[in-house]
Amino acid sequence: ETGVTQTPRHLVMGMTNKKSLKCEQHLGHNAMYWYKQSAKKPLELMFVYSLEERVENNSVPSRFSPECPNSSHLFLHLHTLQPEDSALYLCASSQGGRGGGETQYFGPGTRLLVL
Amino acid sequence: AQSVTQLGSHVSVSEGALVLLRCNYSSSVPPYLFWYVQYPNQGLQLLLKYTTGATLVKGINGFEAEFKKSETSFHLTKPSAHMSDAAEYFCAVSRNTGNQFYFGTGTSLTVIP
Repeated sequence: ETGVTQTPRHLVMGMTNKKSLKCEQHLGHNAMYWYKQSAKKPLELMFVYSLEERVENNSVPSRFSPECPNSSHLFLHLHTLQPEDSALYLCASSQGGRGGGETQYFGPGTRLLVL
Repeated sequence: AQSVTQLGSHVSVSEGALVLLRCNYSSSVPPYLFWYVQYPNQGLQLLLKYTTGATLVKGINGFEAEFKKSETSFHLTKPSAHMSDAAEYFCAVSRNTGNQFYFGTGTSLTVIP
């Protein structure tokens, strides 16, 4: 399989559940990202993992916990979410590097609904 | 600080008409600039990008964009709209260091038959 894949594609969970989103990239990239996409808002960068940096958006609640075991896999662990966390969660990857300007390649996203 | 403004959250054009989607950025230094397209129930796909060199950039599906430093703009155009162009379009900038992107709020393009 090529590109960036995400599982599951759709997820419905209650506020007391614990679930995880998975992302895998088959592009040989060194940087991976989680974004949150809500209606009428800019894509919100949640986390960045790369050889050069790990960035956490300070506005992301602690109920979201990322894990990056290697350069090809990225997880987003979810616990005690709120209804306002319902959104499309996008994973992306890029070559990484300090120079900037690298294209980010996106997965199809996980549509999350919190009841 | 970086920011991206996309004027017009919804744009409608007739099939065969010119497509113009606007993007302005604010940056203390010339950034790298991108346009992405998102079709329903899919992730974002790169249309084109500007890094250095020629300011008129050609992308996929007949789209192009011109970097105008004096206007801090990177508007996306296509001479003749197709029905298949109906989608959400996002402008993004990144700095010349690091991996972070800053996205606009998106423009939804409708193509009228």
